[in-house]
Amino acid sequence: GIQVEQSPPDLILQEGANSTLRCNFSDSVNNLQWFHQNPWGQLINLFYIPSGTKQNGRLSATTVATERYSLLYISSSQTTDSGVYFCAVERSGGGGADGLTFGKGTHLIIQP
Amino acid sequence: NAGVTQTPKFRVLKTGQSMTLLCAQDMNHEYMYWYRQDPGMGLRLIHYSVGEGTTAKGEVPDGYNVSRLKKQNFLLGLESAAPSQTSVYFCASSYSLAGGKEVYTQYFGPGTRLTVL
Repeated sequence: GIQVEQSPPDLILQEGANSTLRCNFSDSVNNLQWFHQNPWGQLINLFYIPSGTKQNGRLSATTVATERYSLLYISSSQTTDSGVYFCAVERSGGGGADGLTFGKGTHLIIQP
Repeated sequence: NAGVTQTPKFRVLKTGQSMTLLCAQDMNHEYMYWYRQDPGMGLRLIHYSVGEGTTAKGEVPDGYNVSRLKKQNFLLGLESAAPSQTSVYFCASSYSLAGGKEVYTQYFGPGTRLTVL
């Protein structure tokens, strides 16, 4: 099956800092999503981004499908950004129905 | 819209007991999924459904059964619970056609925390 690797596994930053999270995947994809899992366990959709660049407030994401990686940028970090960030993909050819394969996540801690 | 809801939120079972987890979505999505999340890991796919009356196995299907009798509901059953099934279970739904474009964004429920003693 498709492999998803996220880096770094852990990241500790001061409030106000910027960060870049990376997701590498091993095959062509027709779906790539970034999620934030907050300390209460809730999974929050951040981006649906199988290719291209999107921005939403302080967060932005870029997927370079031809090189099989995606980047999530967080600017001016706030303590509420703490949690685990997951990248998840579905390989091409699945017709959107095969389900997502998740990476192991990046555990982000923002200190005040 | 409530989005994706799951019941119950918490459950404790003894080994060998059975139970059913219910997932409901009100977004008219065709596809629905059950995942499990173990400590320190990402989610893994258990079973999924591409439409009413259809189901298929995911990455970790053993010990689970599913049914999709109605488009908006997807049930996950444990016939004889084992301690290895202690986990957090997430349901998700997807598929929409917006402006002629297919979009496969998956939306997740709040999760069910299951402990098997």
